Amino acid sequence: GAGVSQSPRYKVAKRGQDVALRCDPISGHVSLFWYQQALGQGPEFLTYFQNEAQLDKSGLPSDRFFAERPEGSVSTLKIQRTQQEDSAVYLCASSLGPAGATDTQYFGPGTRLTVL
Amino acid sequence: QKEVEQNSGPLSVPEGAIASLNCTYSDRGSQSFFWYRQYSGKSPELIMFIYSNGDKEDGRFTAQLNKASQYVSLLIRDSQPSDSATYLCAVNNAGNNRKLIWGLGTSLAVNP
Repeated sequence: GAGVSQSPRYKVAKRGQDVALRCDPISGHVSLFWYQQALGQGPEFLTYFQNEAQLDKSGLPSDRFFAERPEGSVSTLKIQRTQQEDSAVYLCASSLGPAGATDTQYFGPGTRLTVL
Repeated sequence: QKEVEQNSGPLSVPEGAIASLNCTYSDRGSQSFFWYRQYSGKSPELIMFIYSNGDKEDGRFTAQLNKASQYVSLLIRDSQPSDSATYLCAVNNAGNNRKLIWGLGTSLAVNP
């Protein structure tokens, strides 16, 4: 595709509900990243995939957060039992090669999650 | 101390002036440095990246890196109102992990 796409663009959930956020990276991109961006803050790293392998999940804030990329392309970020503090924009980014010093990450439009 | 620090601003410059945005980082092992622009309600978009000490120019934008002093800056020449946005500095330490560590961003307002 032309760029990284994410869906839904907006999600409103009641506290305690489970949500699933989808990311379609640029075709052929090996690396995929998830970030969380709160209002007025910079993005915060959540997790990283190289193809289907989740190589770094150190940024996931709790065990309620789970991400997968089973076929090495589309990725899903799942949040169970959502809490109000989960309200943020969730950004997905992809890069062509394995992440490293020369990588440039391209971002999707984000999913704005609001937990009531 | 945050790993990547930026002055939150807002930085206000008149149209046509040079805007100077600064970023400092704490990890001496950092290898690559990125400047992203983020318009309100939009996702970050890459402006420039720099890996080597010195200056790197691309159109009206110049990135400057000084690893000894652990700072990276972005100069925007002939600033335009369309440059008004938040500018995010991100640092990648590929030796230890694959994360981009982000600053909070500097808000830039270019006044016509």
